[in-house]
Amino acid sequence: DQQVKQNSPSLSVQEGRISILNCDYTNSMFDYFLWYKKYPAEGPTFLISISSIKDKNEDGRFTVFLNKSAKHLSLHIVPSQPGDSAVYFCAASLDDKIIFGKGTRLHILP
Amino acid sequence: EAQVTQNPRYLITVTGKKLTVTCSQNMNHEYMSWYRQDPGLGLRQIYYSMNVEVTDKGDVPEGYKVSRKEKRNFPLILESPSPNQTSLYFCASTPGLAGGVGRRETQYFGPGTRLLVL
Repeated sequence: DQQVKQNSPSLSVQEGRISILNCDYTNSMFDYFLWYKKYPAEGPTFLISISSIKDKNEDGRFTVFLNKSAKHLSLHIVPSQPGDSAVYFCAASLDDKIIFGKGTRLHILP
Repeated sequence: EAQVTQNPRYLITVTGKKLTVTCSQNMNHEYMSWYRQDPGLGLRQIYYSMNVEVTDKGDVPEGYKVSRKEKRNFPLILESPSPNQTSLYFCASTPGLAGGVGRRETQYFGPGTRLLVL
C-alpha cells in the first residue's frame, strides 16, 4: 500500500519555464512533507519542506504547495535551470518514520 | 567537513555470507536511518535510530539488523544476504528530535552503497 505517490515517472520542461512536480498521499496523519533532489551516484539532498499546518513554503526558486483536503502537494521550480535535471523525491513523515515516493525524473531541455 | 560516510561503496557477495555496511556521521546527530533504493520503488526505510541504543523498524526491516552503540555509527548488518537484497543503500542522519524528525530538520544522506548478492 503506497502511502506517498508520485504518479509521473518523468517530466520534461524547457529551460526558463516552470517545473511542477506533483505528489499525492493517503495518510491524513502525516505532519510534515519534504522534497529531496537526487543526482546520479549521489545521495539525496534536502530541497524544501512544509509543515502540515501550512499551505505554502517558498525558498528562492522553489515553492511547495500543500492542499490537505486533496491530500496533494506540489513543488514548483521557477525558472527551471539545467542544473535542476535530477530525480525528485517527495517524502512524508509520521511518528519519526519517513516515507518516500518513487520519484520523478525531471529533464530540463535547452 | 560535515558528512555522512558509508563503506564500502560497492560490494559483491554471495548468498548467505554475512556482511556489514558501515555508516558514520561527524555532526553529532541523534537520528540515523537506513534506506534502500530500488528501481520503480523509490526509497524505502529499513531501520532508524532515535539515539544510542534506541532503534526501530522502518517499512522493510526483514533480513536486516542494525546497532547503535555509539552516536556517530549506525552499521547495517545482513546476517544471511539473499539476491532480493541486491539494492542501493543509503544511510542518513538528522540533527535532533526537536518535535519530530521531519519538523525543521533535514536528513543528510551518505553517498550510497551498491550491493549485489549473487
